[in-house]
Amino acid sequence: AQRVTQPEKLLSVFKGAPVELKCNYSYSGSPELFWYVQYSRQRLQLLLRHISRESIKGFTADLNKGETSFHLKKPFAQEEDSAMYYCALSGGGGGADGLTFGKGTHLIIQP
Amino acid sequence: ETGVTQSPTHLIKTRGQQVTLRCSSQSGHNTVSWYQQALGQGPQFIFQYYREEENGRGNFPPRFSGLQFPNYSSELNVNALELDDSALYLCASSLDAWQGSYTFGSGTRLTVV
Repeated sequence: AQRVTQPEKLLSVFKGAPVELKCNYSYSGSPELFWYVQYSRQRLQLLLRHISRESIKGFTADLNKGETSFHLKKPFAQEEDSAMYYCALSGGGGGADGLTFGKGTHLIIQP
Repeated sequence: ETGVTQSPTHLIKTRGQQVTLRCSSQSGHNTVSWYQQALGQGPQFIFQYYREEENGRGNFPPRFSGLQFPNYSSELNVNALELDDSALYLCASSLDAWQGSYTFGSGTRLTVV
């Protein structure tokens, strides 16, 4: 069975400090990994996906198959980064298993 | 370009009743998925429809059923409501079933009393 673990329920850092939101996954094949973000009073939206290998709003995430991790990083946190972050996994196969989400990490950036 | 819209936004039902939630997918998207999000949890996959056919299902009982229409809008039906069905129900659409990235609606908050 596929599983996504986000060990931190809450992460608080100061503005300008580096941020790392942890995500570990369990999947027997080659998964696609995503980070979704939900800002206050907004809907869940895609932040980035590992196959794009791009940086969005200064965030990057590298898939480490050896450690089965997909941690989200940003070198300098900004107050507008405060939000709920969800790591998600797709097993491919035309969406037959949908997205498996972690429980989320609430990121608070303090001024 | 319109996003994903869901109706109603809030709903209160009594245990044992039936409920229908509706979703209009983003323009050009032919795939719709439904998720249940309990308080403090991540969204949990219910099922997915691709071109009017169910092509994936999560670990939910048969009393959770759905439909997708020719215009790719969708319904989620839940029969014999239980108290544990109280949750936020999210609809998400995608360009196709293999796209992997989804546009989410703002959800329907269902309370079962």
